[in-house]
Amino acid sequence: AQTVTQSQPEMSVQEAETVTLSCTYDTSESDYYLFWYKQPPSRQMILVIRQEAYKQQNATENRFSVNFQKAAKSFSLKISDSQLGDAAMYFCAYRRSGGGADGLTFGKGTHLIIQP
Amino acid sequence: DTGVSQNPRHKITKRGQNVTFRCDPISEHNRLYWYRQTLGQGPEFLTYFQNEAQLEKSRLLSDRFSAERPKGSFSTLEIQRTEQGDSAMYLCASSLNPNTEAFFGQGTRLTVV
Repeated sequence: AQTVTQSQPEMSVQEAETVTLSCTYDTSESDYYLFWYKQPPSRQMILVIRQEAYKQQNATENRFSVNFQKAAKSFSLKISDSQLGDAAMYFCAYRRSGGGADGLTFGKGTHLIIQP
Repeated sequence: DTGVSQNPRHKITKRGQNVTFRCDPISEHNRLYWYRQTLGQGPEFLTYFQNEAQLEKSRLLSDRFSAERPKGSFSTLEIQRTEQGDSAMYLCASSLNPNTEAFFGQGTRLTVV
């Protein structure tokens, strides 16, 4: 079974600074997707960024970028120029590719605090 | 609002009662997922539908839980004989196909007293 581990229950960063959230996962699959979701206090999950395992290039979405290390099964999220609106729970998630079962497997989350 | 809609947003029920939640996915989204999220945890996958067909059920989905998606549109999740351990946020998500982004609703928070 796949597992996703987020070892940082809480992280704090000064506004405008950069922060990196860690995520490791375990799978025997070779092709899969990885995601970072944001869950603000209103509790609606929002996709931040996704990465296809077959792509070597790290995904980037504006101030958000990932460091995907397939061999190490590591998938960290870097947030540059942190803003107050970035404060939320961040969840790392895994999904195998192809047909069949494709529910997301989530980590326990990291609570990100932005210090003004 | 064209996002995923869940009703009710909050539900308080007495132990032993039955409850039913509804999820309206984004129009034309074929895939619909149910997740459960307890305090301090990430969401846990419960089940998913491809149109009206329920294709997978997690071992977390005990016999007291049943989900339907008649006509491949909205979905309902019913919990029979609720227990205190059922207290959680129940999240619904939908996607156009397996390879596209899943959009989440705001969830239904269930409290069993």
